[in-house]
Amino acid sequence: EDQVTQSPEALRLQEGESSSLNCSYTVSGLRGLFWYRQDPGKGPEFLFTLYSAGEEKEKERLKATLTKKESFLHITAPKPEDSATYLCAVQAYNFNKFYFGSGTKLNVKP
Amino acid sequence: NAGVTQTPKFRVLKTGQSMTLLCAQDMNHEYMYWYRQDPGMGLRLIHYSVGEGTTAKGEVPDGYNVSRLKKQNFLLGLESAAPSQTSVYFCASAKSGTANEKLFFGSGTQLSVL
Repeated sequence: EDQVTQSPEALRLQEGESSSLNCSYTVSGLRGLFWYRQDPGKGPEFLFTLYSAGEEKEKERLKATLTKKESFLHITAPKPEDSATYLCAVQAYNFNKFYFGSGTKLNVKP
Repeated sequence: NAGVTQTPKFRVLKTGQSMTLLCAQDMNHEYMYWYRQDPGMGLRLIHYSVGEGTTAKGEVPDGYNVSRLKKQNFLLGLESAAPSQTSVYFCASAKSGTANEKLFFGSGTQLSVL
């Protein structure tokens, strides 16, 4: 069964304290792995797509990496404005469907 | 720059009532999706459409119906609402169904069924 698991469920960091979020997946034929950011009361916003093991993508303080079984979202020297819920999704062999994890709620304290 | 627009933003229903959620996108996207988001469960796909006039079931389709009469609109209907359908509903669209196509989301509809 296709499945996406994110950990931790919640993460509290001090401003400047780097950390990583994890997304592990089991899917039949991975076509792509996506990271989204979701702010309270809003829909998810696209951050990155990764589609092969070893691939890395960066955007400001965020860096996403991918292995055959999991992806990490590394946050370097986070700021309070990075506080949000980060969602991971995988696109399986059936291009029409995306499977989402339950998210990691990040809170960065000043 | 409207993108994906959902209406209404909030709604309270009584058990057994019906309602329709409207999703409109102005990006000429082929694919549209309806998801529900519940605490601790992530986004779950209800129904989706790969083009005008087409619809298909997702993971949790029971109790919902959809229609895509126009390319830009995707409607989600609840014929007889139940408390289990209390959730936040998100509509999303994608340019096509090819690999690595990112989703564009609306801002959500918070639905409470009493």
